Amino acid sequence: QKEVEQNSGPLSVPEGAIASLNCTYSDRVSQSFFWYRQYSGKSPELIMSIYSNGDKEDGRFTAQLNKASQYVSLLIRDSQPSDSATYLCAVNTGQAGTALIFGKGTTLSVSS
Amino acid sequence: DADVTQTPRNRITKTGKRIMLECSQTKGHDRMYWYRQDPGLGLRLIYYSFDVKDINKGEISDGYSVSRQAQAKFSLSLESAIPNQTALYFCATAGEMTYNEQFFGPGTRLTVL
Repeated sequence: QKEVEQNSGPLSVPEGAIASLNCTYSDRVSQSFFWYRQYSGKSPELIMSIYSNGDKEDGRFTAQLNKASQYVSLLIRDSQPSDSATYLCAVNTGQAGTALIFGKGTTLSVSS
Repeated sequence: DADVTQTPRNRITKTGKRIMLECSQTKGHDRMYWYRQDPGLGLRLIYYSFDVKDINKGEISDGYSVSRQAQAKFSLSLESAIPNQTALYFCATAGEMTYNEQFFGPGTRLTVL
């Protein structure tokens, strides 16, 4: 069974620190990887996507992918209280357009 | 206006009732999905559709059915609701050429008494 694993947290960091969120996946043929942010009671919002090994930066967010280790991470620099949310890792394991498999999410709490 | 809309946003119903949740999108995407989210269980796929003539079961399709009335509309039905179908339901869409980046509607909170 294809799985995506995340530490449920909560991960607590002080304002201004770097938050590091991690995700592992089981299917070696996985093609594309996504990070979603979900505030309590709201819908998941796509914040990062990454398709090849290495780092991808977008503002304060950096996604890192290592296909050999089947590992994807999200770094949030200069964390703000507004970053407090649950972060979902999602993996597309087959042909483009097939369903994503989601991890259960890591809850991040940023204290001011 | 929101790109992906869901109606109703909240619904309370009784065991045994038939209920339909509706999803509409203006993103022009071909692919549409229905998920449910439960505390501790994450997002689980119920059904997905790649176009009007293509419907696929997801991980947890038992007790649910869907209808793709048009490219922009995808409905989820609970034929005879039961309490363990109480959950937050999300519709999502994806474009054909976007590596399956999915965009979610605001969700429907369903309570089955």
